[in-house]
Amino acid sequence: DSGVTQTPKHLITATGQRVTLRCSPRSGDLSVYWYQQSLDQGLQFLIQYYNGEERAKGNILERFSAQQFPDLHSELNLSSLELGDSALYFCASSVYPQETQYFGPGTRLLVL
Amino acid sequence: AQKVTQAQTEISVVEKEDVTLDCVYETRDTTYYLFWYKQPPSGELVFLIRRNSFDEQNEISGRYSWNFQKSTSSFNFTITASQVVDSAVYFCALSEALGTGRRALTFGSGTRLQVQP
Repeated sequence: DSGVTQTPKHLITATGQRVTLRCSPRSGDLSVYWYQQSLDQGLQFLIQYYNGEERAKGNILERFSAQQFPDLHSELNLSSLELGDSALYFCASSVYPQETQYFGPGTRLLVL
Repeated sequence: AQKVTQAQTEISVVEKEDVTLDCVYETRDTTYYLFWYKQPPSGELVFLIRRNSFDEQNEISGRYSWNFQKSTSSFNFTITASQVVDSAVYFCALSEALGTGRRALTFGSGTRLQVQP
């Protein structure tokens, strides 16, 4: 158990819908990261937050957004969902950005 | 842009065989970090090891060992006396510096290891 929690574990929804994925980092970790794992794209970095502020953006679609709250938990919002958004979404956390990232169990999203 | 290449898509071995997973990386950073993660069939990503670019010492942890060679930009992972529980997808990753306080992991495509009893 990495200490990073993600909810829900599974999510099934329809095209056009909006969902929110939640992540609680390890105790003491200030940096949170979101990654997407899909069969065709592999594991891709989406976005990084550090102590509540957005720090880095990767291949994140405009339909996706995220935030990190004062208690350091983070949410990833996915809207206008398409079939191709079906993937495993991971949250990771680290104490500082250069430190080891520990991953949560992931949220498996299926868009029908 | 940084890149990680895991040329071996899938490896199948029989229990107790030794197996080496290859990882080659490209980066322009002078300071960088390399990682190996394991993804068992249950799906989670488990951290195995982190190596700093300025520390080329090889590391051994039980049946696992890692060989970091900066001259060839490689960070290979060897499992000695493999076991069925080692069956998983293994990812090599490079920590990319995007600016002060800005970091991301660039992952290889993964190597699926199947250990047959």
